[in-house]
Amino acid sequence: QQPVQSPQAVILREGEDAVINCSSSKALYSVHWYRQKHGEAPVFLMILLKGGEQKGHEKISASFNEKKQQSSLYLTASQLSYSGTYFCGTERSNYQLIWGAGTKLIIKP
Amino acid sequence: GAVVSQHPSWVICKSGTSVKIECRSLDFQATTMFWYRQFPKQSLMLMATSNEGSKATYEQGVEKDKFLINHASLTLSTLTVTSAHPEDSSFYICSASATGWNEQFFGPGTRLTVL
Repeated sequence: QQPVQSPQAVILREGEDAVINCSSSKALYSVHWYRQKHGEAPVFLMILLKGGEQKGHEKISASFNEKKQQSSLYLTASQLSYSGTYFCGTERSNYQLIWGAGTKLIIKP
Repeated sequence: GAVVSQHPSWVICKSGTSVKIECRSLDFQATTMFWYRQFPKQSLMLMATSNEGSKATYEQGVEKDKFLINHASLTLSTLTVTSAHPEDSSFYICSASATGWNEQFFGPGTRLTVL
């Protein structure tokens, strides 16, 4: 079942912070975060694993609440390059990921 | 990070023809490759999962006879869209992973337009 992302879209000014949420109705073993710019393939940002292991990316961090079955992605002091659509993916089986609908982030100067 | 390439980047074809898309892992051995389709402003939809040397596993609703997947080696998987129709026009993206990896690495995508 597809994870639910919120918000659907957000507009920020450069330097502002953003939080993107991803929740699932099923137990989560890992949450993957990717960013996709228009017309390009998704780029890996971060993975959060059950048990607390986390891999990060510059000014982007994330939390993973296993009990609540949700993850949040935190973008600090956003830069223009952060613009894009952010997808969370939850692992199903055999390394397969089921993707959320995406959150479009627009950063204005 | 690991590098995955796709070829071609974009293709325009006539209705009824077949199109082959290649996905290559350039600097690692990809034990598993995934094929996705993405329509404009929509999320990635997993089409199939392929493991090297075995038949691909297709998602529900994806016609295996229409979307032929071959994962003949640890560095190459191909997706052939047979008898393509305008509704098959989409952005096709592959990703690859290796045993023990959690991440998937994506190719740059192939934009298919069927006239």
